[in-house]
Amino acid sequence: RKEVEQDPGPFNVPEGATVAFNCTYSNSASQSFFWYRQDCRKEPKLLMSVYSSGNEDGRFTAQLNRASQYISLLIRDSKLSDSATYLCVVPSGTYKYIFGTGTRLKVLA
Amino acid sequence: NAGVTQTPKFQVLKTGQSMTLQCAQDMNHEYMSWYRQDPGMGLRLIHYSVGAGITDQGEVPNGYNVSRSTTEDFPLRLLSAAPSQTSVYFCASSYKAPTPSRGRAYEQYFGPGTRLTVT
Repeated sequence: RKEVEQDPGPFNVPEGATVAFNCTYSNSASQSFFWYRQDCRKEPKLLMSVYSSGNEDGRFTAQLNRASQYISLLIRDSKLSDSATYLCVVPSGTYKYIFGTGTRLKVLA
Repeated sequence: NAGVTQTPKFQVLKTGQSMTLQCAQDMNHEYMSWYRQDPGMGLRLIHYSVGAGITDQGEVPNGYNVSRSTTEDFPLRLLSAAPSQTSVYFCASSYKAPTPSRGRAYEQYFGPGTRLTVT
């Protein structure tokens, strides 16, 4: 099993839709999790951190399920500007962050 | 406050040439790392450093060297470039190293990347 797994997509959704991505991880000792957004040919930028059961920031909600070892990202009322690749990041072992391969989202007008 | 800077932005090398990718941060972060990103592979860790004078290997270290003589700088050296090293390279820094067993990790800040082509 990969340390961090994501559905690569692409997810094509209309404007205004709600979309959710999942990310599974294998290291049960991990306590902090991150969602990054990456636009085409740009560097990743932090979208949300998750330290407990979940986190909410405007239209974005991240939830953590420790029993099943996955985190999810929910985007409500999708905007065209939300089109990007969303990367799940999990600290794994000592001193390392492990990245998922990313989920591509395309919001359609 | 410039954050994380990387130079150059683009580079073309011939097989066998060597070069150094520069990375600097002005946030006094302890932890710095280098990743490469290839299509369909996500970001893979090449080397990392938990502080000045301390470096270690990541997932794909072969063909690369690093050093960390100061807190600010973390250069990545390609010893003898190969076409398999064609990639986008990102440098990142965070306040401290992640320690999952202690339940704390920190946001990473990324540089703008270096696009390297080896012919």
